[in-house]
Amino acid sequence: QQQVKQSPQSLIVQKGGISIINCAYENTAFDYFPWYQQFPGKGPALLIAIRPDVSEKKEGRFTISFNKSAKQFSLHIMDSQPGDSATYFCAARLSNDYKLSFGAGTTVTVRA
Amino acid sequence: DAGITQSPRHKVTETGTPVTLRCHQTENHRYMYWYRQDPGHGLRLIHYSYGVKDTDKGEVSDGYSVSRSKTEDFLLTLESATSSQTSVYFCAIGIVGETQYFGPGTRLLVL
Repeated sequence: QQQVKQSPQSLIVQKGGISIINCAYENTAFDYFPWYQQFPGKGPALLIAIRPDVSEKKEGRFTISFNKSAKQFSLHIMDSQPGDSATYFCAARLSNDYKLSFGAGTTVTVRA
Repeated sequence: DAGITQSPRHKVTETGTPVTLRCHQTENHRYMYWYRQDPGHGLRLIHYSYGVKDTDKGEVSDGYSVSRSKTEDFLLTLESATSSQTSVYFCAIGIVGETQYFGPGTRLLVL
């Protein structure tokens, strides 16, 4: 069973719109939450990451919001562009571990 | 792809045959990982290595073995391939929590 539950499975957004992907976890021992972006035929690449002592992190058009009490975190893609069309994975790492647990992935399609 | 290559990139094999996938890095990273990617499951860790000859199992290790005799090479072996092992396999290097880089992947089809 997946330790990190990701939704939705896919979404379509118009160019300039906001894409929102949500992830939830149960294990409070997770201490690092990265998001990966994967284009077709390529390996995943680290996009942005957050630690639980911060509620929000922004890098360009990408923002992670983190709600520790609800054990949820989300990725917001502002002003979505066709080049953002990709599969996005959330993940989590247990404290003092070097393994990641991944969500199932969300395929984002940005229509021009 | 941060100095990571995987070979072969594509392979078709038959049930019951052994298969070895290779991951080669030029970054001198201590940590290396093998994942499989399947629709609806995201990426699942098969095995990982924290040094030469130091390996450990991940969440889906049954039917797979690994070896690491040199820092730069991490081999994944399917001793007797099954159709359920049809997947895309990714190698990764680096330390989770700092930066982890993924290779380009190997598409494996077991008939």
